[in-house]
Amino acid sequence: KQEVTQIPAALSVPEGENLVLNCSFTDSAIYNLQWFRQDPGKGLTSLLLIQSSQREQTSGRLNASLDKSSGRSTLYIAASQPGDSATYLCASAPEDGGSQGNLIFGKGTKLSVKP
Amino acid sequence: EADIYQTPRYLVIGTGKKITLECSQTMGHDKMYWYQQDPGMELHLIHYSYGVNSTEKGDLSSESTVSRIRTEHFPLTLESARPSHTSQYLCASSEWGSIELFFGEGSRLTVL
Repeated sequence: KQEVTQIPAALSVPEGENLVLNCSFTDSAIYNLQWFRQDPGKGLTSLLLIQSSQREQTSGRLNASLDKSSGRSTLYIAASQPGDSATYLCASAPEDGGSQGNLIFGKGTKLSVKP
Repeated sequence: EADIYQTPRYLVIGTGKKITLECSQTMGHDKMYWYQQDPGMELHLIHYSYGVNSTEKGDLSSESTVSRIRTEHFPLTLESARPSHTSQYLCASSEWGSIELFFGEGSRLTVL
């Protein structure tokens, strides 16, 4: 059964720093991998989606990479801002049911960017 | 920006009450989902639907039920709420052929 692990569980950095959030998964047979942002008491906002055939995706200051063979994905945030403070979740979609939307989520990394 | 709405946002009720959590989307998405999220824990899929009159159970067993009578509406019902049902319930939708999910803001349920 797929397990998704995110390290660290919490991270506090000063404004302006570049940072990396890590996500690992036990089963490399994935359909895609997604990164979400969740603000306190809110739903999830999709940040980046990487198809299994891709190695990375970029959106603004965010860059996500995927290494299926090692079961890892990273989310790189450049020049962090206080507004980036949130919980970041990664989720994998299984290869044999990817179209069902049955995403397997990690517990998230809670990021705090201090001014 | 996604147009998917959940009501109520917060609900505190007593044990044994029947509750319905509403979820509506205006994007015409065929696929809709309900996830459950306990504090500090992962989201787990409890129900999903591919379209009208289609409902399936997710990986996490749930005593809740769902219905899909209209494309835009996917309500979740608990016939008799218990304290173990206390959680946040997140609704999501996606286009047919896409795995990109759009989430509502969630319904936080507390059963006393």
